[in-house]
Amino acid sequence: EIVLTQSPGTLSLSPGERATLSCRASQSVSSSYLAWYQQKPGQAPRLLIYGASSRATGIPDRFSGSGSGTDFTLTISRLEPEDFAVYYCQHYGGSPQFTFGQGTKLEIK
Amino acid sequence: EVQLEESGGALVQPGGSLRLSCAASGFTFNTFWMSWVRQAPGKGLEWVATIKEDGSGAYYVDSVRGRFTISRDNPKNSLYLQMNSLRAEDTAVYYCAKIWGWAGYAFDIWGQGTMVTVSS
Repeated sequence: EIVLTQSPGTLSLSPGERATLSCRASQSVSSSYLAWYQQKPGQAPRLLIYGASSRATGIPDRFSGSGSGTDFTLTISRLEPEDFAVYYCQHYGGSPQFTFGQGTKLEIK
Repeated sequence: EVQLEESGGALVQPGGSLRLSCAASGFTFNTFWMSWVRQAPGKGLEWVATIKEDGSGAYYVDSVRGRFTISRDNPKNSLYLQMNSLRAEDTAVYYCAKIWGWAGYAFDIWGQGTMVTVSS
């Protein structure tokens, strides 16, 4: 069973700064099956990135994903006030099974 | 507009049963895998169950296998989750989510969620 570990648990930054969020898999995974989501309080999650680096429909280009093997990164190039939220990575495995990371909370400094 | 709308959440006693429903609109329901994902209060996301587009396969997280049953009615564009032998640890917001197979099986559309509380 693949475990996804996200770091840091909480990231405190100011609007305009660059955010780098990490997702580490317990074993090598296909980047084709790695996704990132944003969740704001009281709302459902929203798909940001699929296939490790492809932006979902309507997602601003300040959001980018990268990585391969066991290490994946979500980068927000220049934080806007609406970007402060919780971010989750997720992997699809065979069987099928779906695994989420524990989340990174991005808060305003 | 592509939409998912859950219903059926309630307060139920431990050992009780509940059936959640999810109404889909705006897309060809019978061509997509569908899932239930839950989120306990103040916690992260947990995948619960997935069903193939024609209902030919259903898959569960270990903690609910044998207690929960996912099903679908394609002519009614509806997804269901029958939950039996409910436990306190099943307390969560339950989201219905569409799976985008072409996008690496990501959850591309989510409902607003329905709250299930298991307590005496």
